[in-house]
Amino acid sequence: EPEVTQTPSHQVTQMGQEVILRCVPISNHLYFYWYRQILGQKVEFLVSFYNNEISEKSEIFDDQFSVERPDGSNFTLKIRSTKLEDSAMYFCASSRTGGFEDTQYFGPGTRLTVL
Amino acid sequence: AQSVTQPDIHITVSEGASLELRCNYSYGATPYLFWYVQSPGQGLQLLLKYFSGDTLVQGIKGFEAEFKRSQSSFNLRKPSVHWSDAAEYFCAVTSYGGATNKLIFGTGTLLAVQP
Repeated sequence: EPEVTQTPSHQVTQMGQEVILRCVPISNHLYFYWYRQILGQKVEFLVSFYNNEISEKSEIFDDQFSVERPDGSNFTLKIRSTKLEDSAMYFCASSRTGGFEDTQYFGPGTRLTVL
Repeated sequence: AQSVTQPDIHITVSEGASLELRCNYSYGATPYLFWYVQSPGQGLQLLLKYFSGDTLVQGIKGFEAEFKRSQSSFNLRKPSVHWSDAAEYFCAVTSYGGATNKLIFGTGTLLAVQP
């Protein structure tokens, strides 16, 4: 069964450094998402992406964040200058049609630790 | 704004016992509701979803959930729990208030299964 993959599984970085989290969505999916979960808190929506453009972003997704689909398979989340409060589990997801009833398939997550 | 509440942070049941995980949502129209499970080191896996029709929906791994509009609830049930069901369970609702179908998650319920 096709699945969403994410690398790395765990990333440790120093405050102020740039990080890039990578995701490979399911191959025939057209809609891509990033969510994050700070320890002990809810999974929160960050951004959705379709047709090489951001469709929607949350208040969390400020100028320090960017997303890109650099080729036909990868979908990346970049944090330009990490802060302590960016420490969280970051989940990538993809869906085929983006409809409200459509299932979003999630990857295993990348745990980001900012020191 | 839409929201999801999972009142139980942590539940412990004995193997073979029945299980009910609670989920309450706040939304004016008919919601699209989901239950996801996250096993250690794994991504969020969809257990089941509800859009319309029969209010009792069947999912994978022997789980079911019942949509009760009068109680704004979508509780997850399983008649006999297996040790492999130990995981974290998330209830989610699709948010309509934007360009895409982002998910609004509850805080999750961590299920432990005693032998």
